[in-house]
Amino acid sequence: KQEVTQIPAALSVPEGENLVLNCSFTDSAIYNLQWFRQDPGKGLTSLLLIQSSQREQTSGRLNASLDKSSGRSTLYIAASQPGDSATYLCAVKGSNYQLIWGAGTKLIIKP
Amino acid sequence: NAGVTQTPKFQVLKTGQSMTLQCAQDMNHNSMYWYRQDPGMGLRLIYYSASEGTTDKGEVPNGYNVSRLNKREFSLRLESAAPSQTSVYFCASSEGVLLSGANVLTFGAGSRLTVL
Repeated sequence: KQEVTQIPAALSVPEGENLVLNCSFTDSAIYNLQWFRQDPGKGLTSLLLIQSSQREQTSGRLNASLDKSSGRSTLYIAASQPGDSATYLCAVKGSNYQLIWGAGTKLIIKP
Repeated sequence: NAGVTQTPKFQVLKTGQSMTLQCAQDMNHNSMYWYRQDPGMGLRLIYYSASEGTTDKGEVPNGYNVSRLNKREFSLRLESAAPSQTSVYFCASSEGVLLSGANVLTFGAGSRLTVL
């Protein structure tokens, strides 16, 4: 059974730093992996989607990588800003097309 | 704004009471979903509707019922609420069927339910 883990559960860094969020999964037979952002009182917003055949995807200051063999994905945020404060979730779509979600990392960027 | 609208945003129930969470989307999406989010856990799928007129169980369907009223609306009903159903509930929609390859989910803002 696929399990998705995000460590740490919370992270606080000063503004301007580059940072990495982690997502690990137990079954490498995945269809794709997505990173989402969740703001309090709002829904989830998709940030990046990486297909199983891809190694990384980039959008602005965000870069997501995928290493299926090791069961890991990272979300790199460059030059962090207070507006990046949110909870970041990863979700893995397995070969049965079910979405399995991590519990998220709550990110706080200190001005 | 176009998107997914959920009501109510907050609700407090006593054990045994019933209620319905409403969800509507205006993007002409075919598929709709109900998830629950609990502290320290990932989102879990309760029920989904691949298309108007169809509904299927997800990972945690016990204690819930759903109705796909039309293409726009997908409601979630708790017939006899229990404290274990205290959670944040999210409705989502997608143009295609998520379970067959579609990837883009649009989420509502969530409904926070507390059962005492």
